[in-house]
Amino acid sequence: AQTVTQSQPEMSVQEAETVTLSCTYDTSESNYYLFWYKQPPSRQMILVIRQEAYKQQNATENRFSVNFQKAAKSFSLKISDSQLGDTAMYFCAAIIQGAQKLVFGQGTRLTINP
Amino acid sequence: KAGVTQTPRYLIKTRGQQVTLSCSPISGHRSVSWYQQTPGQGLQFLFEYFSETQRNKGNFPGRFSGRQFSNSRSEMNVSTLELGDSALYLCASSLEGTSSGETQYFGPGTRLLVL
Repeated sequence: AQTVTQSQPEMSVQEAETVTLSCTYDTSESNYYLFWYKQPPSRQMILVIRQEAYKQQNATENRFSVNFQKAAKSFSLKISDSQLGDTAMYFCAAIIQGAQKLVFGQGTRLTINP
Repeated sequence: KAGVTQTPRYLIKTRGQQVTLSCSPISGHRSVSWYQQTPGQGLQFLFEYFSETQRNKGNFPGRFSGRQFSNSRSEMNVSTLELGDSALYLCASSLEGTSSGETQYFGPGTRLLVL
């Protein structure tokens, strides 16, 4: 079975600091897609960043970037210059070829302190 | 474009009742997926519909069912509600579905409380 694991249940940093959230996944398939979603207190799930497994270049979206290590099956999210609005639950997720569903990790609760 | 909408946003039911939740995808999206979110089990996949056909189903009992209409709107139904069905139910839409690896766009969710 394909799994996604987030080993950090909670993290807390000061505003303007950089923070890295960890994610590992397990699959024997070669074609898959990886995502980071943010769920603020409103509970709306919002896409942060998407990575295609066949692309070696790490995806970036403004202050958000990923470190995709395919051999290690690792997909960490780096948030630079963190802001109070970044406070949320962050979920790592994967779509594995043929699975036809998003598989989510357990989530990391990130708090940005003023 | 308007985002994914879900109705109702909050619902309180008692054990044994049934409930129907609705999801309207982003205009032009033909795929709708449903997920259940609970503190204990996290986010779990319920089912995916594409062009009125169920493509995939998660590991949930038969009390959980769904359907999709010709306008891509989807409903899910839970019969004979149990206390453990209390959860946030999220739907997500995309153009072609998860098999294409597309981004899934989520609605705000329906919070169901079973008493």
